[in-house]
Amino acid sequence: GESVGLHLPTLSVQEGDNSIINCAYSNSASDYFIWYKQESGKGPQFIIDIRSNMDKRQGQRVTVLLNKTVKHLSLQIAATQPGDSAVYFCAERDKAAGNKLTFGGGTRVLVKP
Amino acid sequence: DVKVTQSSRYLVKRTGEKVFLECVQDMDHENMFWYRQDPGLGLRLIYFSYDVKMKEKGDIPEGYSVSREKKERFSLILESASTNQTSMYLCALTGGGVRTEAFFGQGTRLTVV
Repeated sequence: GESVGLHLPTLSVQEGDNSIINCAYSNSASDYFIWYKQESGKGPQFIIDIRSNMDKRQGQRVTVLLNKTVKHLSLQIAATQPGDSAVYFCAERDKAAGNKLTFGGGTRVLVKP
Repeated sequence: DVKVTQSSRYLVKRTGEKVFLECVQDMDHENMFWYRQDPGLGLRLIYFSYDVKMKEKGDIPEGYSVSREKKERFSLILESASTNQTSMYLCALTGGGVRTEAFFGQGTRLTVV
């Protein structure tokens, strides 16, 4: 079936460096993608989203890139800080399947001081 | 701010018990979802609802049922709890617009002994 997955389960990053988290998806009909951050003991929190008619979207210290040709999504975090340590999930929506979101398995980001 | 409240943070139940997990929202959103989250498996959709008294099966509905008698409340029911239902349960909701970011509750960690 359709799935959303992540390449790296754990990413260690030096404080101040940039982080890149990758996500592959298989449903070519997906039209909307979201990145979530989940800190220990909390529910996932929205970070940034992108629609399928865009290639790039920037937020505060974060950028999402979408490559529809290879069905790849990435989240870039600039100047990673200790507070960025968390698990990051990508999610996709197929409009034809209603408003439910399909999530990837998650990547843990560990920021080293 | 959107508020999604799950009735319990931690629950311990015995095998065979009937378990109710409650989720209440204050945003008048139509779409509500129940996910379970397990290490290495990410978030998996159990059931969702687009309206009062309406429910749809997600990817892993076996052993669960749901109830949506009022728009603001979506309940997940474990008819006869089993140890393989030990997990983190997350309630989420989305609006009906183009951007359907999901807002999550804080999660309920259920342990079945």
